[in-house]
Amino acid sequence: GEDVEQSLFLSVREGDSSVINCTYTDSSSTYLYWYKQEPGAGLQLLTYIFSNMDMKQDQRLTVLLNKKDKHLSLRIADTQTGDSAIYFCAEASPISSGSARQLTFGSGTQLTVLP
Amino acid sequence: SAVISQKPSRDICQRGTSLTIQCQVDSQVTMMFWYRQQPGQSLTLIATANQGSEATYESGFVIDKFPISRPNLTFSTLTVSNMSPEDSSIYLCSARTGDLVGDAFFGQGTRLTVV
Repeated sequence: GEDVEQSLFLSVREGDSSVINCTYTDSSSTYLYWYKQEPGAGLQLLTYIFSNMDMKQDQRLTVLLNKKDKHLSLRIADTQTGDSAIYFCAEASPISSGSARQLTFGSGTQLTVLP
Repeated sequence: SAVISQKPSRDICQRGTSLTIQCQVDSQVTMMFWYRQQPGQSLTLIATANQGSEATYESGFVIDKFPISRPNLTFSTLTVSNMSPEDSSIYLCSARTGDLVGDAFFGQGTRLTVV
């Protein structure tokens, strides 16, 4: 099946930039996504990028996509303590029961922002 | 956007019993899904809840263990049957309102502990 991999932990100092990395295997993915999960809450869609793009910027968030290497990254500029959360990357991959696509998530990266 | 409410938010259950989790969306949605998030791991899709018909289960999940109902476009239930400690996990309800696969909303999850 399809696989999405992330490193489990990242710690940064407040004010620094955070870079969370992700690799995926489905070369037919058309969209790739980043979600944020705060403690006790469901996942929140942060941003996404279409596979024909190399970069997408949205305020403090920058998504970089290297389609050749199947590598996706999320950069958070000026990281704040409120950014502490688990960040999941996901791709839309075919589901086992049909031709429709469903989300395949990475294992999540726990971002800790130190004061 | 849609707001998803899940009940209960957490429960501790005896092995051999069953628990039904409810998911209520504040607006009509096209698709609803149930995920499992085991400790320290990513989200795994259990099934797609189909309105008015049987749910579509992913590989490794069966209806006898995880019966799902979806009587209308805003409500679904997931039952975890004949529970064992291996079923201890967070169960998440998700809904999609449009065509973009990743444009999904998530409930806050139900943290289930089986003792």
